[in-house]
Amino acid sequence: GENVEQHPSTLSVQEGDSAVIKCTYSDSASNYFPWYKQELGKRPQLIIDIRSNVGEKKDQRIAVTLNKTAKHFSLHITETQPEDSAVYFCAANRYSTLTFGKGTMLLVSP
Amino acid sequence: DSGVTQTPKHLITATGQRVTLRCSPRSGDLSVYWYQQSLDQGLQFLIQYYNGEERAKGNILERFSAQQFPDLHSELNLSSLELGDSALYFCASSVATGQETQYFGPGTRLLVL
Repeated sequence: GENVEQHPSTLSVQEGDSAVIKCTYSDSASNYFPWYKQELGKRPQLIIDIRSNVGEKKDQRIAVTLNKTAKHFSLHITETQPEDSAVYFCAANRYSTLTFGKGTMLLVSP
Repeated sequence: DSGVTQTPKHLITATGQRVTLRCSPRSGDLSVYWYQQSLDQGLQFLIQYYNGEERAKGNILERFSAQQFPDLHSELNLSSLELGDSALYFCASSVATGQETQYFGPGTRLLVL
């Protein structure tokens, strides 16, 4: 089956800095890569996603890049704000099954 | 609000008991997915139903079962509960099956004492 590794497990930044979270996947059949943000005790919420025929996608302060050859994808958050503090999960979709990374706890200090 | 609803929000029960978790997908969504989230295992896919039929199976224990009804709501049944089954159980839904976005419900927090 698919295996998704996510790093780092925790990330502390100052407000206004950029944050980068990286994931690798193992199965070349995976073709869809969503990122979810989860606040404490809440549901995971999709923040951005990318499909395997695209190398990069941006949505305001958030961007995701995908390198299919190396089987890795990354989340970039610019101009971080305290409300960006949460746990971020990457995932890889293979035949409609999502495999999640272990999550990154992002802490943004004012 | 994702449009996916789950009941109950919280459930406290004893070891050996059986519970049923309920999920209603977003209007128009045909697929329902169940996930278990615990501190040590992270978010784990359990099972998917598409239009009433089981579509994919993940790390679901034999003590657990699920079904999707004609009105597309789904139930996850957990039996012979153990302490280790304490977790957050999420349901998600998507329009069909494949590369569609999965929208998560608010979850059911299960505590087995």
